[in-house]
Amino acid sequence: SAVISQKPSRDICQRGTSLTIQCQVDSQVTMMFWYRQQPGQSLTLIATANQGSEATYESGFVIDKFPISRPNLTFSTLTVSNMSPEDSSIYLCSVRTGRTEAFFGQGTRLTVV
Amino acid sequence: SQQGEEDPQALSIQEGENATMNCSYKTSINNLQWYRQNSGRGLVHLILIRSNEREKHSGRLRVTLDTSKKSSSLLITASRAADTASYFCATDDRETSGSRLTFGEGTQLTVNP
Repeated sequence: SAVISQKPSRDICQRGTSLTIQCQVDSQVTMMFWYRQQPGQSLTLIATANQGSEATYESGFVIDKFPISRPNLTFSTLTVSNMSPEDSSIYLCSVRTGRTEAFFGQGTRLTVV
Repeated sequence: SQQGEEDPQALSIQEGENATMNCSYKTSINNLQWYRQNSGRGLVHLILIRSNEREKHSGRLRVTLDTSKKSSSLLITASRAADTASYFCATDDRETSGSRLTFGEGTQLTVNP
C-alpha cells in the first residue's frame, strides 16, 4: 500500500496566476499520475510522471500549461499555469505499483475567480 | 479518454436496500477495479477483479465481470447512509502501456436514512 499526502487541499486563485500542487508518497514509486476531475465528472489523466525523465502528457494537455516535476521517487508537483475559470477542478495525484490497485492523494479543489 | 460507461449516473435508495451499479468498457482488460469517492476527495480502492474471474466478494460488496459483454457490476448489500458516495469503475487495459487506469463516468449513490 501507499499513503499520499497532497496539498493544498483547496485553494481559490485569481485568474492569470499559477498554483503548484504537491504530492508526497510514503514509499518509493516509479510512476505517479496526475488527474483532473471537472465538476460532476470522471477523472481525466493529465500526465504520467517518471522520476528522471520528462512527464508524458495526454492528448489535450501540454507542458506549458501543466508543468510537472519529479525530483525523486517519493515526490512530485503539478503546476496549473496562467489559470482561467475553466481550470476550476479537483486535481488528484495517484500511484500504482504494477497492475494492482491505485492509491490517491486527498485531492486539491481549485477554484479560479 | 474515458472508455467506461456507468449506469445509472445517479441512484437514490433507502437504508437497508441493495444498490447495483453497472460498468461497460470497450477494450481487452487485465483487470477491472471499483473505487469510491466521498464528496470530491481522493478515491479509495474497493475491489479488483481479474479478467479470468467472474465474481468476487468483499464484505457487503459483490462484483461480477462478464468479459464477453465487456461489462461489470458492483452490488452493495444492506446499504447504509455512510455508503453515500460516488462509485467509479476503472480498467487496466491490455493495450495500454505502463500502469495507467481508465475510469468510467461514475455513479452517484445516495442512501437515505
